[in-house]
Amino acid sequence: AQSVTQLGSHVSVSEGALVLLRCNYSSSVPPYLFWYVQYPNQGLQLLLKYTSAATLVKGINGFEAEFKKSETSFHLTKPSAHMSDAAEYFCAVSRAGGGADGLTFGKGTHLIIQP
Amino acid sequence: GAGVSQTPSNKVTEKGKYVELRCDPISGHTALYWYRQSLGQGPEFLIYFQGTGAADDSGLPNDRFFAVRPEGSVSTLKIQRTERGDSAVYLCASSLQGGEQFFGPGTRLTVL
Repeated sequence: AQSVTQLGSHVSVSEGALVLLRCNYSSSVPPYLFWYVQYPNQGLQLLLKYTSAATLVKGINGFEAEFKKSETSFHLTKPSAHMSDAAEYFCAVSRAGGGADGLTFGKGTHLIIQP
Repeated sequence: GAGVSQTPSNKVTEKGKYVELRCDPISGHTALYWYRQSLGQGPEFLIYFQGTGAADDSGLPNDRFFAVRPEGSVSTLKIQRTERGDSAVYLCASSLQGGEQFFGPGTRLTVL
């Protein structure tokens, strides 16, 4: 079965600093990987996805993630944090390796931005 | 509406009661998904519909949970004999086949 592990339930960075949220996956098939963001009292929103094309994926709001098969990782980064980035971030993997399947989510990382 | 809608937004019920949660997907989306999100956790997959049929229901925790999508659009998640452990936010998402899943705002279920 596919799974993801998010390292760090809380990450705190200063405004303007690099954001790095870690995600490692386990998959028996070539994975489809996703990052979602959940702002307070709002629904989940897709940030970016990897579907076996380019290994460096660019998403919305300046975020990007790099698929590294050798490390089974899909870490999310942003060069310069903004106060509006404060939210809960979830890494997810497609349950059966395809794009139409349900997703298995990690437990989430709460990103705190210090002024 | 333009997005996925879920009703009710909040539901409070007593242990042992039956509840129904409704999801209206984005018009034209063939795939529909139900997830459950407990406090402090990521969403947990429950069931996935392609059209009217359940393509994968392996995430339903037990036979008290059932979902239908009779006309391939609106879906209802049904929970019988609710337990306190069923308290969570129930999320619905829809997509065009193989595409991005768009999530609704969720229904917060509280079982007293």
